[in-house]
Amino acid sequence: KAGVTQTPRYLIKTRGQQVTLSCSPISGHRSVSWYQQTPGQGLQFLFEYFSETQRNKGNFPGRFSGRQFSNSRSEMNVSTLELGDSALYLCASSGGLAGETQYFGPGTRLLVL
Amino acid sequence: LAKTTQPISMDSYEGQEVNITCSHNNIATNDYITWYQQFPSQGPRFIIQGYKTKVTNEVASLFIPADRKSSTLSLPRVSLSDTAVYYCLVGDTAGTALIFGKGTTLSVSS
Repeated sequence: KAGVTQTPRYLIKTRGQQVTLSCSPISGHRSVSWYQQTPGQGLQFLFEYFSETQRNKGNFPGRFSGRQFSNSRSEMNVSTLELGDSALYLCASSGGLAGETQYFGPGTRLLVL
Repeated sequence: LAKTTQPISMDSYEGQEVNITCSHNNIATNDYITWYQQFPSQGPRFIIQGYKTKVTNEVASLFIPADRKSSTLSLPRVSLSDTAVYYCLVGDTAGTALIFGKGTTLSVSS
């Protein structure tokens, strides 16, 4: 099976712009979670989608949003980018049921100038 | 989700067995114990997951005592390529927010 894929892998934006990141889960997985990783804060949970519904949400401002499509692919959007949004954004997929493991993609490296 | 405590760093030499212990005193009945490995600028890679006793796969073993308040990841005969950060997580991983701590930075030397 193909793993989790994320596009683009690298992105450079300027402050105030918006960005959309995409994640394709492992085939058959219905749950997609998003994480932000920075040197200072480590890996932090953003939100999780299961069957097109946001099921869980972390402690991030409303500038961070997401959605999931009927094929389980997910997108994450960040509006009004700030310098502090520079990070590695990771998505992880799982079947979404108890005890199932989350598998991570390679991440999208976002640099905000 | 239960909080975990693990050493910040460990050093080892090629060919040695490495054991990384994780404490999780407040583990809940439904919680699983999962270990991930992460290389710089890459996504965490699943290593092993267990609920109780011992689990073994092709890359590692996971030892969980009866009280489940701790667990030990065992990496047999490490190589230079095992240099990475190792995270111990506790929870019902499906659909819940994985809470990553600082992890353990393992450095393997020749």
